[in-house]
Amino acid sequence: SYVLTQPPSVSVAPGQTARITCEGNNIGSKSVHWYQQKPGQAPLLVVYDDTDRPSGIPERFSGSNSGNTATLTISRVAAGDEADYFCQVWESSADHPVFGGGTKLTVL
Amino acid sequence: QVHLVQSGAEVKKPGASVKVSCKASGYTFISYGISWVRQAPGQGLEWMGWINAHNGNTNYAQKFQGRVTMTTETSTSIAYLDLRSLRSDDTAVYYCARHQGDFSAYYFDYWGQGTLVTVSS
Repeated sequence: SYVLTQPPSVSVAPGQTARITCEGNNIGSKSVHWYQQKPGQAPLLVVYDDTDRPSGIPERFSGSNSGNTATLTISRVAAGDEADYFCQVWESSADHPVFGGGTKLTVL
Repeated sequence: QVHLVQSGAEVKKPGASVKVSCKASGYTFISYGISWVRQAPGQGLEWMGWINAHNGNTNYAQKFQGRVTMTTETSTSIAYLDLRSLRSDDTAVYYCARHQGDFSAYYFDYWGQGTLVTVSS
């Protein structure tokens, strides 16, 4: 089955840029979606179809996807961005989603 | 606006069953699929299965086959998750989530608030 690998944690100072990776075999051929989850809350979609943002998500959140790595980039990081982030693809051959293990973003 | 509102927290004994509901509003219920995703304490997201609200077709994760049933009541726009033979490691927050996008690249644009199910003797 398809596997998505994320680093367990990423730390960044306020105002800097955070990059969270999601690795998978030829992931560039798939559409990747990203969710933010704060403690005690449901996941929130922040990027879909590799690069698109839902209404209400700041432009500071952007995505890219090529080769074996997809990346969620958060520019001008603020304390409010501290959360767990999960990547997801849809495995169409099996008709089910695959989630990455999640990355905890810490704002120093 | 779209809302998915789930039923309240449950405490169950091992071997029991639980039924969690997810009431949808703000959109045409039968036009979207619903997945159920759970999250054990301190863990990641685990997909359990999904139901096509239009025709009732389901696809369950292999891990839950035989123990889970997902249904919908289209007259009231409610999706249900029924999990049987509960074990302590079923203790988790259970979420419903609406499908969006192309059928080959679904994502989840709206989520319920979550329902905590605690399994304890």
